[in-house]
Amino acid sequence: EAQVTQNPRYLITVTGKKLTVTCSQNMNHEYMSWYRQDPGLGLRQIYYSMNVEVTDKGDVPEGYKVSRKEKRNFPLILESPSPNQTSLYFCATKRLTSGSHNEQFFGPGTRLTVL
Amino acid sequence: AQSVTQLGSHVSVSEGALVLLRCNYSSSVPPYLFWYVQYPNQGLQLLLKYTTGATLVKGINGFEAEFKKSETSFHLTKPSAHMSDAAEYFCAVSDFSGNTPLVFGKGTRLSVIA
Repeated sequence: EAQVTQNPRYLITVTGKKLTVTCSQNMNHEYMSWYRQDPGLGLRQIYYSMNVEVTDKGDVPEGYKVSRKEKRNFPLILESPSPNQTSLYFCATKRLTSGSHNEQFFGPGTRLTVL
Repeated sequence: AQSVTQLGSHVSVSEGALVLLRCNYSSSVPPYLFWYVQYPNQGLQLLLKYTTGATLVKGINGFEAEFKKSETSFHLTKPSAHMSDAAEYFCAVSDFSGNTPLVFGKGTRLSVIA
């Protein structure tokens, strides 16, 4: 079954304590992306990756890091979380086809609370 | 730069009534347009998309949307609302290359009243 998995699904942490949210896909998609969803703001892209070892900033990258060492994994790293990073986070993936926009598949989301 | 405006953060309709969710976009190049749905406590799911060709696009669950270039709009409709349609709906835009990030609107929450 085609899947995008995220872990953990829920996390409560404290300011400054480093954390990693993992994202894994089994569809061999080249493109992976992280979004945060906040009430009234919709989804905003944090980082994306077009392939292994290729990452780019999205609209709101401050305070986040990513890595793409393997095609299937795209972890989101918060080195020093702050309360304004309390949000619902989604990982998404898609196949890249030149001249075509393929569907993005979304993970189930990770709800993060930073106290 | 591309952008999306969804008119109305919350829309409420009676069961069986017409659903109309509005989306206007801004794009300096031919756009690709999408509607996604998010059911409670779930990720986003693609409802339908417009890339090229026919401007009236049919999606899942009886939804459809019409691309109107002159109005820069891509409104989502469904003739008869069902209770199970209650969800948040997001309009999104990308460019014709297919390789640029999606830009999402802020979302419209649809409530369906029995």
